[in-house]
Amino acid sequence: NAGVTQTPKFRVLKTGQSMTLLCAQDMNHEYMYWYRQDPGMGLRLIHYSVGEGTTAKGEVPDGYNVSRLKKQNFLLGLESAAPSQTSVYFCASSPRTGRNEQFFGPGTRLTVL
Amino acid sequence: AQSVTQLDSQVPVFEEAPVELRCNYSSSVSVYLFWYVQYPNQGLQLLLKYLSGSTLVKGINGFEAEFNKSQTSFHLRKPSVHISDTAEYFCAVLNTGNQFYFGTGTSLTVIP
Repeated sequence: NAGVTQTPKFRVLKTGQSMTLLCAQDMNHEYMYWYRQDPGMGLRLIHYSVGEGTTAKGEVPDGYNVSRLKKQNFLLGLESAAPSQTSVYFCASSPRTGRNEQFFGPGTRLTVL
Repeated sequence: AQSVTQLDSQVPVFEEAPVELRCNYSSSVSVYLFWYVQYPNQGLQLLLKYLSGSTLVKGINGFEAEFNKSQTSFHLRKPSVHISDTAEYFCAVLNTGNQFYFGTGTSLTVIP
């Protein structure tokens, strides 16, 4: 099993450009999450999904959109990138049953100039 | 909403010395507690978790943590650290709504 994978690993954007980050998991997990990690602030939840076709806002959703068209994929979109969105983005997944930990991808380092 | 406080942002410690990384959380009816480790340029990996039962939880790489309900704490300990333990450590709380809340992290540096 590959676990949780993220594409791309690195990306540099100019202000105003758009892009989509892809997260894929092969563990048949119902729940998927997008976080951003910034120095001194830990992980902050952007959006999450509790199942195919459903999404919900997390702590810092502004400027981002998400879609979960297939159970194994969770896409994070930036329609008009801003320098404040420079960060490391992590995707995670977890099964629905029980109180289980989240499984994390390796991260995407995004720089917005 | 839950909150998680990691009291130390940076902890330097000499190799083979003991270490304690502190974590406190806001009280709730039921919470589930986790410690994750993040090595440089990698994602987070689970170290250990407390769901119920014994308050002393043992994890991977010789780490353990103790759940203290009265003090709302879940401190992480290791009796003898190695260079390879240098990493960022995150405490997290899972509430009954299945939402995770992470602390701001503690950077552990092991000095040779």
